[in-house]
Amino acid sequence: NAGVTQTPKFRVLKTGQSMTLLCAQDMNHEYMYWYRQDPGMGLRLIHYSVGEGTTAKGEVPDGYNVSRLKKQNFLLGLESAAPSQTSVYFCASSRGFMEAFFGQGTRLTVV
Amino acid sequence: ILNVEQSPQSLHVQEGDSTNFTCSFPSSNFYALHWYRWETAKSPEALFVMTLNGDEKKKGRISATLNTKEGYSYLYIKGSQPEDSATYLCAPLEAGNNRKLIWGLGTSLAVNP
Repeated sequence: NAGVTQTPKFRVLKTGQSMTLLCAQDMNHEYMYWYRQDPGMGLRLIHYSVGEGTTAKGEVPDGYNVSRLKKQNFLLGLESAAPSQTSVYFCASSRGFMEAFFGQGTRLTVV
Repeated sequence: ILNVEQSPQSLHVQEGDSTNFTCSFPSSNFYALHWYRWETAKSPEALFVMTLNGDEKKKGRISATLNTKEGYSYLYIKGSQPEDSATYLCAPLEAGNNRKLIWGLGTSLAVNP
């Protein structure tokens, strides 16, 4: 049982480049989330999804887009990366209000 | 949106000490409270999910209580061990159709052997 898997684990981008982070879960969870974690700040919600085909904005959605075409996958896109998007990104999934399961994180550096 | 405060921000204890942390949140619009443990270089892992006023949960040496009327939860660690060193996060869950966790900044615990 893999749980929540994020790819890639590390990435360095140049300013203006685009990329997609993939989150996959095998627990049949309805809810999926993308967070970013920066020093001195708590986990901040970027976007989330309450089911296949639905997405919603979180606290810090600007500069990111998401898609949930399949229940098990939640993609986070950066169309034009900026140094301010240097962060550690975590994906999580949950069944309703139950405990959230996290991926191992993606460390992204934008230079 | 719920505002979450955790105290203390950090804590250093000796092996064998018992300790506790506080999570405060507005009592209105509450649905559930999550506690997570986050070790350095790893991902957060759930400890407890609590919903009812007066709930008490226990996992080994770690336990938690919940007071939804006054808006706080306590996490207790009995006989701290070095492997308990981590950041402990609480996250209340909003009521409503699009429920999402609101994360505190955490309490960073260091247990010295």
